[in-house]
Amino acid sequence: NAGVTQTPKFQVLKTGQSMTLQCAQDMNHEYMSWYRQDPGMGLRLIHYSVGAGITDQGEVPNGYNVSRSTTEDFPLRLLSAAPSQTSVYFCASSPLAGNTGELFFGEGSRLTVL
Amino acid sequence: SQQGEEDPQALSIQEGENATMNCSYKTSINNLQWYRQNSGRGLVHLILIRSNEREKHSGRLRVTLDTSKKSSSLLITASRAADTASYFCATDLVNDMRFGAGTRLTVKP
Repeated sequence: NAGVTQTPKFQVLKTGQSMTLQCAQDMNHEYMSWYRQDPGMGLRLIHYSVGAGITDQGEVPNGYNVSRSTTEDFPLRLLSAAPSQTSVYFCASSPLAGNTGELFFGEGSRLTVL
Repeated sequence: SQQGEEDPQALSIQEGENATMNCSYKTSINNLQWYRQNSGRGLVHLILIRSNEREKHSGRLRVTLDTSKKSSSLLITASRAADTASYFCATDLVNDMRFGAGTRLTVKP
């Protein structure tokens, strides 16, 4: 099993550009989520999904969209990139929704917005 | 807002010593988890303790939970240079896992 795979690992954008961060898991996990990690801030939840066709907002959803058309994939879309979205983004999954257990993380995508 | 806050922010010890990190949180929880992150990598799950448990062990790790004080501690015994990493506590608010800012542990050989 590959676990949780994120692409790309690095990306540089200009202000106003859009892009999609890809996340795929091969563990048949119901729950998937996106976090951003900023220095001194820990991880903050952007969006999450408890199953295909179901998504919900986390703590910092503004400027991001998600969809969950399959169990395996959970892409994160930046609609119009801003310098404040410069961060490291982590995708995570868990076997069951609800009383969330252990999270399995990808290796991260480092995004710089100029 | 962050649900969990770790203390201290940074900790430096010698190999063989014990390392203790603390986590405080604000609201009632289902469970509390500890994660480790090596520099430039994703987070790796270490241990989960449920709200009705007080102590849990896993190898050289010992976690305690005091729900009355809304606090938890992670003890790493007989530390090794390979334990150098950032450690995060995370609290589960049902589908919404909140992380603290982490403790940066450095173990000197």
